[in-house]
This record gives sequence, structure tokens and C-alpha cells, in this order.
Amino acid sequence: EVQLVESGGGLVQPGGSLRLSCAASGFTFSPYEINWVRQAPGKGLEWVSYISSSGSKIHYADSVKGRFTISRDNAKNSVFLQMNSLRAEDTALYYCARIDWNYFYFHMDLWGKGTPVTVSS
Amino acid sequence: DIQMTQSPSSLSASVGDRVTITCRASQGINNYLAWYQQKPGKVPEVLIYAASTLQSGVPSRFSGSGSGTDFTLTISSLQPEDVATYYCQKCDSAPFTFGPGTKVDIK
Repeated sequence: EVQLVESGGGLVQPGGSLRLSCAASGFTFSPYEINWVRQAPGKGLEWVSYISSSGSKIHYADSVKGRFTISRDNAKNSVFLQMNSLRAEDTALYYCARIDWNYFYFHMDLWGKGTPVTVSS
Repeated sequence: DIQMTQSPSSLSASVGDRVTITCRASQGINNYLAWYQQKPGKVPEVLIYAASTLQSGVPSRFSGSGSGTDFTLTISSLQPEDVATYYCQKCDSAPFTFGPGTKVDIK
């Protein structure tokens, strides 16, 4: 089955760290770029971070820049999101999503079910 | 950074109605725009990319148009299964910002 599965979420105190994983299966992972997208409870979608297929190109939302680090291991078909200095406003369901290209246009065609992160004392 | 807005924030329409949602970018993004549907309790799914290209498998009652700063998503005949929140997303360059969403339900 073609899927992305996130893991690593949980309850953490403000200032703490978590490392999220996104494991791909059912398709050839290495050519695909990946986004992390989050959704706070009852709120809209927020793009968080992007990584290219090789890992050489990376982008972050201003809200997480300097605190979050995205990486990937193509040998393990996985993408990671290291989250440091966590704040209450980082509380959300974190999705990873595969990017598909059609000429110059991308969209996210495969999403995981998400992993919940709660930042609270 | 380019900001994305959507209107209305919510709407209620009858089955069979034509529904139009607007997305506006604070600066031109050509046609680098995607639309996503998120049904209650579900994962988002792409409906349209490149502003007007229908993703494979998406019903033809969905259509997108626009270029530059103004875009629309149209549902030609609203169905009960279309109850969802709809998001636009800029796809030209990072940050790949989403709009705030438009919640659609049945009157």
C-alpha cells in the first residue's frame, strides 16, 4: 500500500524537544520532495517545512525557523522533523505530505494521517 | 512574504447549488495555486493544482480558475459529500502559505 506514516508525537513541556518521523512505503521514495504541514486544534492548515529529494534544498516557515530542522534518509525511506525550543503554539497535528510535480506545478498528492504534538506544562 | 486570503470564511448552501470560493494572493503568483479539500476528521486531499488542473479522480463538478492574484474554486452542483473546509495554497516559492480556509456545509 502506498502510504506515509508519521510517528514521534507526544506531550512535551515548553522548551522541550521532539523528533518526528515520516516513513514512506509502497512507492519509490527517493525522487520525492516532502512537506511538513501542521494543524492546530480547530484551526487551519499551516505549511511548516520543505525538503528536496536529495536533501540539498530546505525551507522553513518563519514561525519555526531556527527551532525546527528537517532532514531525510533515503536509504530508510524516511523524513524527520527535529523540533527544539517547543512552545504552546506548536501544539498541532503534524502531517507529512508527498509533493508531486506536473511540469512546473506542484501539489501534495499523498498525506499521512498525522502525529499529534502537545506542548504543555 | 505573500499572504493568502479566502472569502467567505464559511457558507451554507443547498444541494444542487453552485458554490464559489475566492482566494486572493497579496502579490501575483501566476497560476501557482492548489486547492485542497479537508472533510471533517479527515486528511486533506488535493482537488486542483496549477489553478485549474483537476487532480485525477476528482469529480468534474469541481473547477478552478484565475491567475495572478485572484482565484476561484467552483462547485457546480453541491453534493452532501462536499461538506468540508477548502484551502488554497500558493505553490510558486517558499513559504508555501495556505489560505485560512472556507467551511462549506449544507443548508
